[in-house]
Amino acid sequence: GAGVSQTPSNKVTEKGKYVELRCDPISGHTALYWYRQSLGQGPEFLIYFQGTGAADDSGLPNDRFFAVRPEGSVSTLKIQRTERGDSAVYLCASSSRQAPYNEQFFGPGTRLTVL
Amino acid sequence: ILNVEQSPQSLHVQEGDSTNFTCSFPSSNFYALHWYRWETAKSPEALFVMTLNGDEKKKGRISATLNTKEGYSYLYIKGSQPEDSATYLCAFLNNAGNMLTFGGGTRLMVKP
Repeated sequence: GAGVSQTPSNKVTEKGKYVELRCDPISGHTALYWYRQSLGQGPEFLIYFQGTGAADDSGLPNDRFFAVRPEGSVSTLKIQRTERGDSAVYLCASSSRQAPYNEQFFGPGTRLTVL
Repeated sequence: ILNVEQSPQSLHVQEGDSTNFTCSFPSSNFYALHWYRWETAKSPEALFVMTLNGDEKKKGRISATLNTKEGYSYLYIKGSQPEDSATYLCAFLNNAGNMLTFGGGTRLMVKP
């Protein structure tokens, strides 16, 4: 079956611009996660959705970052007034409510470069 | 803030060498430890979910062990092949059971 997909795979933007990153989870997965992997580091948690609502957004670095999941499936991560420090790979993962030990399935990521 | 660390950060080995790397994590509130393999431009792929102290799991030439009392897990690769070149990530899941806390990864490069 189809895995988690993310678009675009690469995004280059200029400092100060607005970007949207999209995640299509595995069909039927109720939980969706966003992570950010900066160069030389492991993925860092940003936000977690259970259904349509953000169950935990404690990892969002500041109010320039926002994410939505209006119908409980596709999610969009939105970054306003991008800064060079936002350059990273943004990973999305989904899991089933029934998944033992919260096994998460990842997309290939979106590589964001802010010039 | 949970501290999950991996060592070494990177490793260069020759084809045929066996290798191992370490993940250390908090020994309290342990629920599970995940190992992922991440090749460039691909999705991180789940290797193992380790849950019980003393667990030992194997998939082909790759195996992993778990010590929850002292807070570490080892990943072993026997007879490394160039296709094993990837970043290996461990991720800690505490007993609140939601988000994964990742280590910084070990980047393995296997030279033919």
